[in-house]
Amino acid sequence: GIQVEQSPPDLILQEGANSTLRCNFSDSVNNLQWFHQNPWGQLINLFYIPSGTKQNGRLSATTVATERYSLLYISSSQTTDSGVYFCAVQGAQKLVFGQGTRLTINP
Amino acid sequence: SAVISQKPSRDICQRGTSLTIQCQVDSQVTMMFWYRQQPGQSLTLIATANQGSEATYESGFVIDKFPISRPNLTFSTLTVSNMSPEDSSIYLCSVVVWGVYEQYFGPGTRLTVT
Repeated sequence: GIQVEQSPPDLILQEGANSTLRCNFSDSVNNLQWFHQNPWGQLINLFYIPSGTKQNGRLSATTVATERYSLLYISSSQTTDSGVYFCAVQGAQKLVFGQGTRLTINP
Repeated sequence: SAVISQKPSRDICQRGTSLTIQCQVDSQVTMMFWYRQQPGQSLTLIATANQGSEATYESGFVIDKFPISRPNLTFSTLTVSNMSPEDSSIYLCSVVVWGVYEQYFGPGTRLTVT
């Protein structure tokens, strides 16, 4: 089945810093999503981005499908950005999740 | 998008008992799924809930342990049977809405088995 690798596994930053999270996948996909899991466990949809670039406020994402990776950018980090960020991809079958990047933003 | 509710939000159960988790969606959906997230881990798909027929289980999950019902397009239940401490996890309902490609997740049920 399709493999998903996220890096880094952990990231600790000061408020106001910028960050880049990476997602590599092993096969062609027709669905790629980024989620944020907040400290209460709720999974929040950030982007549906099987290819191309999207922006939403301080967050943006880029997927280069031909090279099998996606990047999530967070600018001017806030403490509320803390949590785990998951990349999930789908080829022919089910949505497969990466192991996540745990982001901690310190005030 | 979709508004998904799950009941209960959390529970503490004794070993050997069963718990049924409900998932209700506010719009008609094409597909419903159940996921498990063990402490500190990523999400693992348990099964796809099929309307009016038996669920489709992933490798490592069986109907006797995780019976699932989906009587209509907007409601599903997952039962965790004969629980052991290893079943302590967050259980999440997820849906795909008509005409939309993204999957959306409910708030989860946090289960602790003692």
